[in-house]
Amino acid sequence: DAGVTQSPTHLIKTRGQQVTLRCSPKSGHDTVSWYQQALGQGPQFIFQYYEEEERQRGNFPDRFSGHQFPNYSSELNVNALLLGDSALYLCASSEVWGTDTQYFGPGTRLTVL
Amino acid sequence: AQTVTQSQPEMSVQEAETVTLSCTYDTSESDYYLFWYKQPPSRQMILVIRQEAYKQQNATENRFSVNFQKAAKSFSLKISDSQLGDAAMYFCAYRGEGGGADGLTFGKGTHLIIQP
Repeated sequence: DAGVTQSPTHLIKTRGQQVTLRCSPKSGHDTVSWYQQALGQGPQFIFQYYEEEERQRGNFPDRFSGHQFPNYSSELNVNALLLGDSALYLCASSEVWGTDTQYFGPGTRLTVL
Repeated sequence: AQTVTQSQPEMSVQEAETVTLSCTYDTSESDYYLFWYKQPPSRQMILVIRQEAYKQQNATENRFSVNFQKAAKSFSLKISDSQLGDAAMYFCAYRGEGGGADGLTFGKGTHLIIQP
């Protein structure tokens, strides 16, 4: 049973560029959440998707957007990259919207130069 | 807004001994969930243990147990018989019960070192 998978593993971009990160949830899970983890910090909630809609959003600007597909996989898009967007981006999935434990993927390390 | 505080940036313990990691939180909600996650150098966030606030009994998972004090808003993790593989960052996390779409609120983490 495959767990949560994310791609790519690492990514290097320059300021002003756009990036797309991808996540496939654990089998049987229909809810996907995205988190940003800066170096030495705990993860911060970006947003959560269920039934292809953004259901809740943390304190992130609208440069951060996302999408969920019918197969429950998800994308995180970040526009106009800033140096401060350099972080580990974690995807988590859960079985039932909002009520179940979230299981995390290995993350994508984004470096903005 | 809810906050989670982990006051120990780093803890060190001898292999086979017991260590307790501290976590306090602030919330006005009565129903919520608390979690401990482990993040080894591989970066994968792994669930260690979960506690529902409405349950008075403390959760246990093998060598891992919690001391949940709802009135004090405290949620500590005890690791018994520490093993080298327990070395990692440990994060305490909170999730509200309300409405279904709550993200997790994490503390800043405690770096656990296991001395052989």
